[in-house]
Amino acid sequence: DVKVTQSSRYLVKRTGEKVFLECVQDMDHENMFWYRQDPGLGLRLIYFSYDVKMKEKGDIPEGYSVSREKKERFSLILESASTNQTSMYLCASKSAGPYEQYFGPGTRLTVT
Amino acid sequence: AQSVTQLDSQVPVFEEAPVELRCNYSSSVSVYLFWYVQYPNQGLQLLLKYLSGSTLVKGINGFEAEFNKSQTSFHLRKPSVHISDTAEYFCAVSEGQAGTALIFGKGTTLSVSS
Repeated sequence: DVKVTQSSRYLVKRTGEKVFLECVQDMDHENMFWYRQDPGLGLRLIYFSYDVKMKEKGDIPEGYSVSREKKERFSLILESASTNQTSMYLCASKSAGPYEQYFGPGTRLTVT
Repeated sequence: AQSVTQLDSQVPVFEEAPVELRCNYSSSVSVYLFWYVQYPNQGLQLLLKYLSGSTLVKGINGFEAEFNKSQTSFHLRKPSVHISDTAEYFCAVSEGQAGTALIFGKGTTLSVSS
């Protein structure tokens, strides 16, 4: 079974802190994604990566950056957390081509 | 640009009743279509997918969906729902041969009561 794990299920941070969300997949997938999920808005793509050290902006990249130094790991970085970044963050991975994405359990981040 | 519209934000039904969750998409090229389910406090799980071939697609937990190219729809159906089907359901589309990023609808909350 494909497994996508995220470093934390729940996280509470203060405004202005630097926040790292980690995601690891064990299926040698080329593509990895970060989404945020908010009630009534569905899932919105923040960034994705199609190869090591390669990244593309999604629909809402402002206030976020990413890092992919190894194929299995994709990190989301909030340089200076703000209260409007309180959300559920979901990581996903997939093989190259028209295949489904596999999701991690999510990290619920609260910024106070 | 692609978009996905889930026509109902909430669908309440009684146990053992049939249900249809509606999804329409806009795209000018070939598409790949997916339905995901999310149970409370969990990630998304794939219910079913349409990549090519038969337009009637069967998935897990007794769900099925029909791809209708002329109506650009991919509605999800189940003939008899259970309490355990209570969850949020997302329709998603991926475009073209590369099929990289998914565009998601805003979700439909299915509430099954006894």
